[in-house]
Amino acid sequence: DAGITQSPRHKVTETGTPVTLRCHQTENHRYMYWYRQDPGHGLRLIHYSYGVKDTDKGEVSDGYSVSRSKTEDFLLTLESATSSQTSVYFCAISEDRSGNTIYFGEGSWLTVV
Amino acid sequence: QKEVEQNSGPLSVPEGAIASLNCTYSDRVSQSFFWYRQYSGKSPELIMSIYSNGDKEDGRFTAQLNKASQYVSLLIRDSQPSDSATYLCASYNQGGKLIFGQGTELSVKP
Repeated sequence: DAGITQSPRHKVTETGTPVTLRCHQTENHRYMYWYRQDPGHGLRLIHYSYGVKDTDKGEVSDGYSVSRSKTEDFLLTLESATSSQTSVYFCAISEDRSGNTIYFGEGSWLTVV
Repeated sequence: QKEVEQNSGPLSVPEGAIASLNCTYSDRVSQSFFWYRQYSGKSPELIMSIYSNGDKEDGRFTAQLNKASQYVSLLIRDSQPSDSATYLCASYNQGGKLIFGQGTELSVKP
């Protein structure tokens, strides 16, 4: 299995509080992604990174920010969590853009109450 | 309109039958297409990729691509209960982002 670790795996937080999810990889892959998954919507791209300090927005980036200060870590921050951000968050990594080398983490279940 | 669209299902087929999963995409520039399988509570895993028009076979799985119709499909022959999962279609769009459809839930009944 690809070395991807997401933390925390489960979190319950209150509306208005900041939340940071961490994705850590041991594969030294260049590309890292954050997706959210909700019933009826499949996986939706939030942000992605194509190198240290290089990030770009995805389909649903409003309310989220990211940072990548090291190759191995990609952080997703909800500055002020809302109930609409209750979701399962998946981190993914890939070596290149071919699509054949994308691996997903195990997911982080976030509940905003 | 979503860039990648799938029927959400659920699709129910009897064991041993052929399951047919369909996907359409809107970005004509897209060149790479993928099918992922996701079991409940688990992360997605890549099962097929296809880049050229026509069919690509891998064991019981066949992916079909028709770029003129902007249509991708996945056929699962001799469906097994262990194939019961959500199947996600994905493609790279013009901006280089991997975009997923909403997924089709497949149930294979013994």
